[in-house]
Amino acid sequence: QQPVQSPQAVILREGEDAVINCSSSKALYSVHWYRQKHGEAPVFLMILLKGGEQKGHEKISASFNEKKQQSSLYLTASQLSYSGTYFCGTSTVQGAQKLVFGQGTRLTINP
Amino acid sequence: NAGVTQTPKFRILKIGQSMTLQCTQDMNHNYMYWYRQDPGMGLKLIYYSVGAGITDKGEVPNGYNVSRSTTEDFPLRLELAAPSQTSVYFCASGWTGRNTEAFFGQGTRLTVV
Repeated sequence: QQPVQSPQAVILREGEDAVINCSSSKALYSVHWYRQKHGEAPVFLMILLKGGEQKGHEKISASFNEKKQQSSLYLTASQLSYSGTYFCGTSTVQGAQKLVFGQGTRLTINP
Repeated sequence: NAGVTQTPKFRILKIGQSMTLQCTQDMNHNYMYWYRQDPGMGLKLIYYSVGAGITDKGEVPNGYNVSRSTTEDFPLRLELAAPSQTSVYFCASGWTGRNTEAFFGQGTRLTVV
């Protein structure tokens, strides 16, 4: 079953923070986050594994709440380059061969 | 190192025609995937392969076929194209393991008229 992302869209000014959520009704092994710019391929951001790991990459970090089967992506002090559509992909097994993606969250960063 | 290469980039098919979308990767990944993405929507898995000679269905396999004769290549075959197959198709590849990520090709935009 497809995970649910919220919000569907968000508009920010450069420097503001954003949180994107991804919820599943199934017990998850991992959550994968990707960013896709218009007309381009999705690009990998990070993987969260069960166990409640929190990972970060520069000003983008994420958490995985195993009890709630929910992951959140945090974008701090957003930059113009962060604009795009963010997708979470969830898996109930090890690996990425059975990823089910959410519908996406469109993030627009204005100057 | 080209990564994942898809051809063609664009294609217009008439209803009932067939075609093969090509995908090749040069990273020696054992896993390969085919996704479709409809406008404004997320990615849906069509087929995947865990290695040469092994393929399995994803969420939306109807109307498609795949084969994996080599590690590098994973072509997707559309038989009897229908308007519902109008979409952007992405091929991806990756390794097995806990932290595996998928590397995507640039996509093939297919229109069936």
